[in-house]
Amino acid sequence: SQKIEQNSEALNIQEGKTATLTCNYTNYSPAYLQWYRQDPGRGPVFLLLIRENEKEKRKERLKVTFDTTLKQSLFHITAAQPADSATYLCVMIKAAGNKLTFGGGTRVLVKP
Amino acid sequence: GAVVSQHPSRVICKSGTSVKIECRSLDFQATTMFWYRQFPKQSLMLMATSNEGSKATYEQGVEKDKFLINHASLTLSTLTVTSAHPEDSSFYICSAIRRGEGDTQYFGPGTRLTVL
Repeated sequence: SQKIEQNSEALNIQEGKTATLTCNYTNYSPAYLQWYRQDPGRGPVFLLLIRENEKEKRKERLKVTFDTTLKQSLFHITAAQPADSATYLCVMIKAAGNKLTFGGGTRVLVKP
Repeated sequence: GAVVSQHPSRVICKSGTSVKIECRSLDFQATTMFWYRQFPKQSLMLMATSNEGSKATYEQGVEKDKFLINHASLTLSTLTVTSAHPEDSSFYICSAIRRGEGDTQYFGPGTRLTVL
């Protein structure tokens, strides 16, 4: 079965710096890869989706890359702000119409 | 945007009672809704997939007689935890797919269930 690995250790960074989160997977390459943000006691919020034939996707200060050779996705938050502090979830969909498979999430703490 | 609401946000109940959680898509019609459970410091685990007008599909290990799902309309799905026990205490989150948007799921804010 698909296994998704995210760094379980919290990422502490200084305000204004770039946070880079890693998501590695085994087994199959997903059709879609998504990143969600989750705050404590709240449901996940969709951020970005990238397809297997796309290398990079951007949205404001967020950037996602997808390398099917390395079986890895990187998630970048540029000019990080304290409000970006949250847990970020890497999520995969094997094929259209399939259920989501969640990574364990990486907690980001941006210090002012 | 696509807004999904859940009610209640928190519920405390006694062991043996049943609890109903509602999930609504407020500004769109949801072709499919999902129910997840999340334990502290763990990721979301899919419990069941719910399609309007048909029976829910449960994941392996999830008791369908304990977790009753009703998807009566394109904007409402309900999860009823029957004869709740302390081990059912968890964070329950629903999500919905908006028609025409492929596989992007919009999540509700979650419901914290505590069974005493």
